[in-house]
Amino acid sequence: EPEVTQTPSHQVTQMGQEVILRCVPISNHLYFYWYRQILGQKVEFLVSFYNNEISEKSEIFDDQFSVERPDGSNFTLKIRSTKLEDSAMYFCASTGRGPLGYGYTFGSGTRLTVV
Amino acid sequence: GESVGLHLPTLSVQEGDNSIINCAYSNSASDYFIWYKQESGKGPQFIIDIRSNMDKRQGQRVTVLLNKTVKHLSLQIAATQPGDSAVYFCAENPSWGGSNYKLTFGKGTLLTVNP
Repeated sequence: EPEVTQTPSHQVTQMGQEVILRCVPISNHLYFYWYRQILGQKVEFLVSFYNNEISEKSEIFDDQFSVERPDGSNFTLKIRSTKLEDSAMYFCASTGRGPLGYGYTFGSGTRLTVV
Repeated sequence: GESVGLHLPTLSVQEGDNSIINCAYSNSASDYFIWYKQESGKGPQFIIDIRSNMDKRQGQRVTVLLNKTVKHLSLQIAATQPGDSAVYFCAENPSWGGSNYKLTFGKGTLLTVNP
């Protein structure tokens, strides 16, 4: 079964450092997303990406965040200057176009710890 | 603001029993709903979805019921097994079929299956 792959699985970084979280979406999918989940809380939408541009972003996704699809397979989330409150699980997701059952698929996540 | 939420934060059942997990939503424009299962340290795993033009959909051992009148969604798991132990989230999208398939998640219900 097709998977969304995320690397690394765990990233520890010092406050103020830049981090890049990487994702390989499912190959024939068209829409790409980043979500985050602070420990014990619900999954929150960060940003959606379609046709090589951001289609929507949340209030969380401020100027410190950026996304990129540098080639035909990777989708990255960059945090320029990490803060303690950025510590969370970050999930990449992708979906194809269409109605029910089109497989809105999440990766296993990257646990980001900012110290 | 509009949100998706869950009635019960925890549910404990005996192996073999049926489980019912509930979800209330407040966005009357919600058109598409998904139930996800999340095991510890993993990303949300798609279980079943339903469009607002349906009131019931069945999968393997799972059934989703949608009551648009009271804006309520439920997930029924038949013959619950220890492997079903996880956090279950409902998620909604207000307008599937547009250019953005952003999901709004509820808080989650922890299902514990006792052998």
